[in-house]
Amino acid sequence: AQSVTQLDSQVPVFEEAPVELRCNYSSSVSVYLFWYVQYPNQGLQLLLKYLSGSTLVKGINGFEAEFNKSQTSFHLRKPSVHISDTAEYFCAVRQGGSEKLVFGKGTKLTVNP
Amino acid sequence: GAGVSQSPSNKVTEKGKDVELRCDPISGHTALYWYRQSLGQGLEFLIYFQGNSAPDKSGLPSDRFSAERTGGSVSTLTIQRTQQEDSAVYLCASSPPNSPLHFGNGTRLTVT
Repeated sequence: AQSVTQLDSQVPVFEEAPVELRCNYSSSVSVYLFWYVQYPNQGLQLLLKYLSGSTLVKGINGFEAEFNKSQTSFHLRKPSVHISDTAEYFCAVRQGGSEKLVFGKGTKLTVNP
Repeated sequence: GAGVSQSPSNKVTEKGKDVELRCDPISGHTALYWYRQSLGQGLEFLIYFQGNSAPDKSGLPSDRFSAERTGGSVSTLTIQRTQQEDSAVYLCASSPPNSPLHFGNGTRLTVT
């Protein structure tokens, strides 16, 4: 069965610093990859997705992620974070041919002034 | 436009009681999903529907949990004889085929 590992449960950073949130998934022939964000006391919203094509995908709020098939990773990055980026970030994987979306356990990003 | 709507937003129930959680998906979305979000556990898949049928119900924790969808639209998640470990936020999401999920704001269930 497909599984998703988010290696860091909490990531504290200072404002304007770069950040990388790591995500690895179990190997599969074809996968679709997503990052969702949950701001405090809000629902989940899509940040970005990889379906096919360029392995570097750009999302909202200046985030981007790179699909690395050989390392089965889909790490999320932002070159300079803001206080407003404080949220929980979830990586999710859908295996080709399946509608089931499997989520990681989430990474809480806290941006400090 | 209208998003995914879940009701109630909060539910407090006594141990042993049955509860029903409702989800109204976005109109026209064929797929509907239920997830459970517990502290430190991320999003746990429960079940998904394609139309009115449930091709994958592998995530339902026990036979106390059931779900149905009618008219290719509204879905109800029922938990019988609730236990304290059922306390969590229950999230519903819907999507068109092969598209990202749109989530509701969830129902926070507290079993006392």
